[in-house]
Parts: sequence; structure tokens; C-alpha cells
Amino acid sequence: KAGVTQTPRYLIKTRGQQVTLSCSPISGHRSVSWYQQTPGQGLQFLFEYFSETQRNKGNFPGRFSGRQFSNSRSEMNVSTLELGDSALYLCASSATGTANQPQHFGDGTRLSIL
Amino acid sequence: AQKVTQAQTEISVVEKEDVTLDCVYETRDTTYYLFWYKQPPSGELVFLIRRNSFDEQNEISGRYSWNFQKSTSSFNFTITASQVVDSAVYFCALSEGTSGTYKYIFGTGTRLKVLA
Repeated sequence: KAGVTQTPRYLIKTRGQQVTLSCSPISGHRSVSWYQQTPGQGLQFLFEYFSETQRNKGNFPGRFSGRQFSNSRSEMNVSTLELGDSALYLCASSATGTANQPQHFGDGTRLSIL
Repeated sequence: AQKVTQAQTEISVVEKEDVTLDCVYETRDTTYYLFWYKQPPSGELVFLIRRNSFDEQNEISGRYSWNFQKSTSSFNFTITASQVVDSAVYFCALSEGTSGTYKYIFGTGTRLKVLA
């Protein structure tokens, strides 16, 4: 069974630009969550999608948005990039999107803002 | 409010030593789930174990063992006879809530370095 796939693996952008990250969950998984990982803040929850609907949202500004498609693939968009957005962005999927489910992570997209 | 604390930022041990990674959690819910994940240098977090709040039985899997104690709100992870391949960042996580409104909170992680 293929794991969670994130593309691209690396991205370099400049301040003010926007970026779109992609995540393909494990086949059959309907819940996709996004996290931002930085050395100082650890893993911070961004949002979670289930059946194309955003169910949960973390404490991030509106510049961070996402969506999920009917095939459960998800994209995350960050507009007007700031230096502080430099981080590893991790996508995770779970089968049923419930509290008892472990999350299965991708390798992440490392975003660097110049 | 929920909180997961991993007080040990970094631990270094020599190969074959035993090491325990601490995890302390806070929650008001009676039903919750605790997890441990391993993040090797490649970046991908790997699920290791899940425990629900009603199951305090300790678990052993090879060189890994977990000690869950509700009385002290702790869910500690011990690696016996550590190996270089165990070098990674280990995260403890807490999850609670009903379907659709659950929250998943991670600790800040403990970096384990196993020296040959």
C-alpha cells in the first residue's frame, strides 16, 4: 500500500509570493491533516479535511488555506509569504478521521523563504 | 486545556545503554488517546504505538516498551539496549474528542542521539 505522498519535497520562494503544496493520502483514507514544523514551535496543527470539508482549524492566519478534492487529495496554499513561513510542512492521513486513529505522515515539503 | 510536555529536549546515550523518554500530558477528557511517533532524519513521522485512556497495561515490543500511568498523567517510552538506528526525534501526542471535532496535540519532541 503506497504511503502518503507530498510534492514537491523542496521549495524556495521569496517574500510576498504564494505557494501551493500537494498531498496524496493513503488509498482509502478520507481525513487529511496539515502541520507546520519549525525548530522553535515543534509540530503545529494547521487544519484537517474530511470528505472535502474543513472540519478543524488551528491558530494560523488566513494566509494559510487548503482544500480537499473528491479523491481525498489535498492542497495547502500560503499567500503573501513571510520569512517566518519557512518550515517543514507535513501532511498526514487517517482512515476515519477520529481521535483514536494514528496519523500516517508523508515526508514533508521543506519550504524556504528568502 | 490539552497539553503534552516532553521536558527532555535532547538525550545522548552510548550504544547498548537503556534510555527513557518522558511524556506528561494534560486533559480534562476521560476518553483520550496517546501516541508515540519517531521522526528519523528523512523527515517522515512513523507511528509507533497508541494507548487509550482505559488501557493502562504496559506494552513491550522488542526493545521498545511503554509505561502508561494515569495517576501521574505520564506515558513514558523506554528503549532497551539502544542502537545507532534509534537516533531520531521522538514525539508524544494526545488526541481526544468526538468524530469531527477531535484535536491532535504533539509534544515538542525529544531528540535522541545514540553514539557508537
